[in-house]
Amino acid sequence: GAVVSQHPSRVICKSGTSVKIECRSLDFQATTMFWYRQFPKQSLMLMATSNEGSKATYEQGVEKDKFLINHASLTLSTLTVTSAHPEDSSFYICSARVGPSNTGELFFGEGSRLTVL
Amino acid sequence: AQSVTQLDSHVSVSEGTPVLLRCNYSSSYSPSLFWYVQHPNKGLQLLLKYTSAATLVKGINGFEAEFKKSETSFHLTKPSAHMSDAAEYFCVVSYNFNKFYFGSGTKLNVKP
Repeated sequence: GAVVSQHPSRVICKSGTSVKIECRSLDFQATTMFWYRQFPKQSLMLMATSNEGSKATYEQGVEKDKFLINHASLTLSTLTVTSAHPEDSSFYICSARVGPSNTGELFFGEGSRLTVL
Repeated sequence: AQSVTQLDSHVSVSEGTPVLLRCNYSSSYSPSLFWYVQHPNKGLQLLLKYTSAATLVKGINGFEAEFKKSETSFHLTKPSAHMSDAAEYFCVVSYNFNKFYFGSGTKLNVKP
């Protein structure tokens, strides 16, 4: 199956700093990637849909100035958590859709655990 | 509106016994349905998907699921649980493949 790679897998940062998480499709081109956030013992919540070459579409309640998404190429999308605070600590997972929009399935990265001190 | 409900937050079975993880969906249109598995601190792996073909879908690792439109269900089953099946399972529904809606997850515990 298609491989989606996320980096870093774990990151610890100080409050007020910014953290960038990368999501790469290794063996396919992904015009659309999705960013999810997962709180402990909860399901995945869609944060935003990232489209190559255009602005990301954010879900209601997600601050786009805080969670900056860039999808500059067909194999790379990045999520930057700006001015991180402890409440931003979470597990962030990206996914990429493989195939046409009417048949495509999602492949997920391994996730990035962010801890803000 | 679309949503998906996983009726059990935790399921515990003994190794070698059948597994049943329940999922019901609500959708105004014909949905596509998926089951994903997540091991601790890992990403999600696709087990199987239904996209309007055969209603009984076979997936990896011996799992299968049956789409029942009359019951709006897509329950996941496996005849015989293995210790390595212990994980969290998510039922996912999508109408147009532009958005995917996740259930709340079911944590499967397999006892030796």
